[in-house]
Formats: sequence, structure tokens, C-alpha cells
Amino acid sequence: GAVVSQHPSWVICKSGTSVKIECRSLDFQATTMFWYRQFPKQSLMLMATSNEGSKATYEQGVEKDKFLINHASLTLSTLTVTSAHPEDSSFYICSASGGAGVDEQFFGPGTRLTVL
Amino acid sequence: QQQVKQSPQSLIVQKGGISIINCAYENTAFDYFPWYQQFPGKGPALLIAIRPDVSEKKEGRFTISFNKSAKQFSLHIMDSQPGDSATYFCAASRGSGTYKYIFGTGTRLKVLA
Repeated sequence: GAVVSQHPSWVICKSGTSVKIECRSLDFQATTMFWYRQFPKQSLMLMATSNEGSKATYEQGVEKDKFLINHASLTLSTLTVTSAHPEDSSFYICSASGGAGVDEQFFGPGTRLTVL
Repeated sequence: QQQVKQSPQSLIVQKGGISIINCAYENTAFDYFPWYQQFPGKGPALLIAIRPDVSEKKEGRFTISFNKSAKQFSLHIMDSQPGDSATYFCAASRGSGTYKYIFGTGTRLKVLA
């Protein structure tokens, strides 16, 4: 099956710093990638949808300037948490779609962000 | 209309028993309904999915039952095993993978040995 990787798997940073999380589709071209945030014992909350070469579409209530998403190629999307604060600590998960006609989204293993 | 309601929130089943998780949706434009399994600290993994043109789909011990008129679908795990202990999410989408998923709230399943 299709494989999606995320890097890093976990990161600890100081408040005020920026953190970049990478999401890669390893064996297929992902025309669309999604970024989710998950709090403990809660469901996945969609943050944004990104299409290769286009600006990301953010869900209501998600700060665009806080969570910068770049989908520069068909195999890589990045999420940058800018000026991170403790309330940004969460589990961030990406998923990738192979495009129109492909039903399934393939999920990455997630990145645990802890902001001190 | 975008919500997917999932129940129960948690479920405890004896080994060998049947685990049943239910979901309901409102938006009739949804036409793809996957179920995901998630272990702690891991990303979700697809278990099984269904489209509304069939009422049931079975893959191994996992079965989806779909009731289009009631706008409900359920996951049945037959012969539940301790290794099935995880959180299960249903989801709904309008179409191909380029459309966003609307996830249910999740069900934490524990299978007792």
C-alpha cells in the first residue's frame, strides 16, 4: 500500500520558536494533502487542505499566519508552526491523496509537538 | 449537516465477542465511508470502506453494514481479539480522496483477554 512518512516523529521546542514538520508520500504522487491536529483522546481535527502548487485552504478558526502550509511538490508538504506556544502542543497528522478517482487518504504516523 | 455522529464513546468486549460501532450522518452528498483504526501515538490506518451502492462489505473479521435510507453505517468486528484494542473512527466524504473527510468522535475499544 501507499506509504506516507512524517518527520520528525516528535519535537520539543521553546516557546516563541518555529517548528517545521514534513509530510512525504514515498511511493505515489499526492495531488492533495491534508493536515490534522489531534488532542489526547479526541478525534482528528482538519486544519487545512493543500493542493500541489496552490495555496492551502484553511478550515474555519485555523490561523493561516500561525500554521504555514507549503505543498511545493507532488511528494512533499510542510507545516510550519510559527512562534509556537504551549497551547500549540499537540499531535499533528498529515494524509495524502493520490488524486481524483482515488478514494483513500493515506495517513502519516504523526508528529508529537511539545512546546515548553 | 457536516457532522458524523459516532457511538458508543467507549466499548469493552470479551475476547471472541462481537464489537459493534455505529455512525450516522446527515449530508446526503457523502458517498464514501471509511473506518480507521488508531493505536496510541500512531497515525490512523484504513480498515475497511464502503460506498452507498452496497449494503454490506466484509473483509476478514471486519464488516461494514450500510443503511442509506437511515443514513447510518456500522462496523462489526467479529471474534474480537485483545490486539483489536484501539480507537476506531468512522468518516464520511463527498467523493474521491481529494475531498476532506468528516470524522466521527471515535470509539475506544478494549477487548478483554
